[in-house]
Amino acid sequence: SQQGEEDPQALSIQEGENATMNCSYKTSINNLQWYRQNSGRGLVHLILIRSNEREKHSGRLRVTLDTSKKSSSLLITASRAADTASYFCATEKIQGAQKLVFGQGTRLTINP
Amino acid sequence: EAQVTQNPRYLITVTGKKLTVTCSQNMNHEYMSWYRQDPGLGLRQIYYSMNVEVTDKGDVPEGYKVSRKEKRNFPLILESPSPNQTSLYFCASSFPRGEQYFGPGTRLTVT
Repeated sequence: SQQGEEDPQALSIQEGENATMNCSYKTSINNLQWYRQNSGRGLVHLILIRSNEREKHSGRLRVTLDTSKKSSSLLITASRAADTASYFCATEKIQGAQKLVFGQGTRLTINP
Repeated sequence: EAQVTQNPRYLITVTGKKLTVTCSQNMNHEYMSWYRQDPGLGLRQIYYSMNVEVTDKGDVPEGYKVSRKEKRNFPLILESPSPNQTSLYFCASSFPRGEQYFGPGTRLTVT
């Protein structure tokens, strides 16, 4: 089955730096979504980008989507300690039942 | 406040003792889903429901049952829990093809 695969698996940066996480998938999608999860807690939706969109912004977050390369990136600018979390991409198939397939996630650590 | 609630949040039980994890949402969402999260395996979908009385299997449905008698509720039933069902469980809901709202999670341990 198609699956989003995040890269890198773990990322550690200094506060104030930018963090970039990548996601690749295998088959055509209806949309791609990014979620954040603080340790052991529920996932929080960040951004949904549809297959006909190339870029979306939300505050310090910027998501790009390249359907020709079947890849997406999440950029967090001016990182803060509170951004420390795991970030997941999830893809929704273009046809059939609504179903999100999650990747393994990127563990982001922001060092003060 | 718009939210998805799950109960219980933590549960320790023994093999074979039937249990139910409740899930409720107050956003009038048609779509609801259950996931389990395990280290190294990410989130995997157990069952989902497109609307009342409409449910279907996800990727890992074995050992689980669900029902959707009301739009707001989507309980997960483990008829005979086994240790390999020890996991962190999440319920989620959404409008069709929209962002999913997740509950806080239920940490289940089966001994």
